[in-house]
Amino acid sequence: AQSVTQLDSQVPVFEEAPVELRCNYSSSVSVYLFWYVQYPNQGLQLLLKYLSGSTLVKGINGFEAEFNKSQTSFHLRKPSVHISDTAEYFCAVTQKGNMLTFGGGTRLMVKP
Amino acid sequence: GAVVSQHPSWVICKSGTSVKIECRSLDFQATTMFWYRQFPKQSLMLMATSNEGSKATYEQGVEKDKFLINHASLTLSTLTVTSAHPEDSSFYICSATLAGDLYEQYFGPGTRLTVT
Repeated sequence: AQSVTQLDSQVPVFEEAPVELRCNYSSSVSVYLFWYVQYPNQGLQLLLKYLSGSTLVKGINGFEAEFNKSQTSFHLRKPSVHISDTAEYFCAVTQKGNMLTFGGGTRLMVKP
Repeated sequence: GAVVSQHPSWVICKSGTSVKIECRSLDFQATTMFWYRQFPKQSLMLMATSNEGSKATYEQGVEKDKFLINHASLTLSTLTVTSAHPEDSSFYICSATLAGDLYEQYFGPGTRLTVT
């Protein structure tokens, strides 16, 4: 069985500061990894995904994530956040043909 | 591409009535659609998986007689909440996968259901 742990339920950060949202997964087989963003009362928007190849994945809105197989992590980073980045962020994992498993979410709160 | 819509975006209904939520893939054929439920400040919980032309597969603890799912075509799945109660109030999100693509899901914008 696969599981996803997002270690921080809330991350407050000042505008223009860097941020890292942590995600760890557990699975005994190869997985595909995703980060989604959810703005209030909206569905999920894909930020980026890791399927194979380069372990550093670049996504939309200036976000990137690094797949670390030895540490079973897929942390999301942004070098300089904006107020508009305030949202809920979900890490998710799947094996081909299986269901998406979501982490509990991290609320990013960007302060002016 | 790969746009999923939901209708309505929000609905208020009285306790005891039924409400139908539609999920459509607008520009692709979706062999599989998923229905999730999300409580405030919580993650998404998978309710069921529906494949076109067959019965939905429900997750443990989800009442299939209460949450009726129909996937009649490759572009439309519906979720009907029957005999709704206030505890059914939640945010319902659907997603769809492209035919032949088994790992990436495209999400709809969600439907806010409030039962009074």
